[in-house]
Amino acid sequence: NAGVTQTPKFQVLKTGQSMTLQCAQDMNHEYMSWYRQDPGMGLRLIHYSVGAGITDQGEVPNGYNVSRSTTEDFPLRLLSAAPSQTSVYFCASSETSGGVVTQYFGPGTRLLVL
Amino acid sequence: DAKTTQPPSMDCAEGRAANLPCNHSTISGNEYVYWYRQIHSQGPQYIIHGLKNNETNEMASLIITEDRKSSTLILPHATLRDTAVYYCIVRPSGTYKYIFGTGTRLKVLA
Repeated sequence: NAGVTQTPKFQVLKTGQSMTLQCAQDMNHEYMSWYRQDPGMGLRLIHYSVGAGITDQGEVPNGYNVSRSTTEDFPLRLLSAAPSQTSVYFCASSETSGGVVTQYFGPGTRLLVL
Repeated sequence: DAKTTQPPSMDCAEGRAANLPCNHSTISGNEYVYWYRQIHSQGPQYIIHGLKNNETNEMASLIITEDRKSSTLILPHATLRDTAVYYCIVRPSGTYKYIFGTGTRLKVLA
């Protein structure tokens, strides 16, 4: 049981380039989410999904797209990278039981946009 | 905005109990309190959650006041490996969203 995996671990992009951050989970969780964390800050929610085919925006969705074609995978696309998107990106999947939502986080992707 | 407030930093001597406070004065009756920690720049790790009763697991204890407006996470015998940022989170009812604040940076001193 690998939990939540993210690739790549590190990425350097030039302004205007696009890329996809991959996230996969093997726990059969319906709910998945993407966060970004800037230095010295807490995590901010970008997008989330409550199941295959269903996505919604979080606090900071601009500049990012998501889709959810399978339960296991939840990729995050940067459409045209900007230096302001330099951050650490965390993917999470959630176990829900009786009103309790417990999130399990991946190891993160560190992105530098030049 | 986060529904919780925490002190930005705390120190604790190794082997002593670390008591991390959290205020959540606007919490609703069916909203849970969750605690996570983040070591270095790793992904946050779940610690414990509670609704109104005190809770204990192998990592920590959670004490919630009777009016539910505040809580305290207790690490009974802190070790150097417990140095981390600790987040107290109240998930708004009816959503799956977690809203993170800036947490408390706990430093365990040798």
